[in-house]
Amino acid sequence: ILNVEQSPQSLHVQEGDSTNFTCSFPSSNFYALHWYRWETAKSPEALFVMTLNGDEKKKGRISATLNTKEGYSYLYIKGSQPEDSATYLCAFWNTGNQFYFGTGTSLTVIP
Amino acid sequence: DTGVSQDPRHKITKRGQNVTFRCDPISEHNRLYWYRQTLGQGPEFLTYFQNEAQLEKSRLLSDRFSAERPKGSFSTLEIQRTEQGDSAMYLCASSLGWSGKQFFGPGTRLTVL
Repeated sequence: ILNVEQSPQSLHVQEGDSTNFTCSFPSSNFYALHWYRWETAKSPEALFVMTLNGDEKKKGRISATLNTKEGYSYLYIKGSQPEDSATYLCAFWNTGNQFYFGTGTSLTVIP
Repeated sequence: DTGVSQDPRHKITKRGQNVTFRCDPISEHNRLYWYRQTLGQGPEFLTYFQNEAQLEKSRLLSDRFSAERPKGSFSTLEIQRTEQGDSAMYLCASSLGWSGKQFFGPGTRLTVL
């Protein structure tokens, strides 16, 4: 079982604050990293697919960076809104046909 | 709506009974995944298919679990002799190609009494 860790486990921020969380994964045999947003009572929704070291992706107020050499990815949310409240999952793929989801970061944005 | 559907959405069963869930992926997606999610955890991989071939099955999956994708389209997940520990959300996802973005269905919530 691969060690994919996300931190923090949960986070409460005020509306308008910017925030970020981390996904750590094995730095060897990297193939791809995904970020998903999972809102309560809905299905996980893909945010980003990242494959190259140094990749930066952006979707509205949400962006992500990737460092495959040191084995981490950051997800940033600028100016958090209540509708950003969700669990954010990362999933790591390696070249050995293995993939694992992290346990997620639960974000609550307080109006 | 992601285009992936699952049926039923909820299932309550008694311990020892067999249950079967169905997943209909996005039609052009060749990969189909099954996950189990329990409270406070991320999706736990169970198995996946490329077309009709089951390529990998989690070591955590007991022999009571079996999955099929007979024509490379929809898939079924069967749990035999259910136990209370099987209570969870069962998620299905599909993708186009290896490591492609996964599109998840709404899940089937299983409660074993």
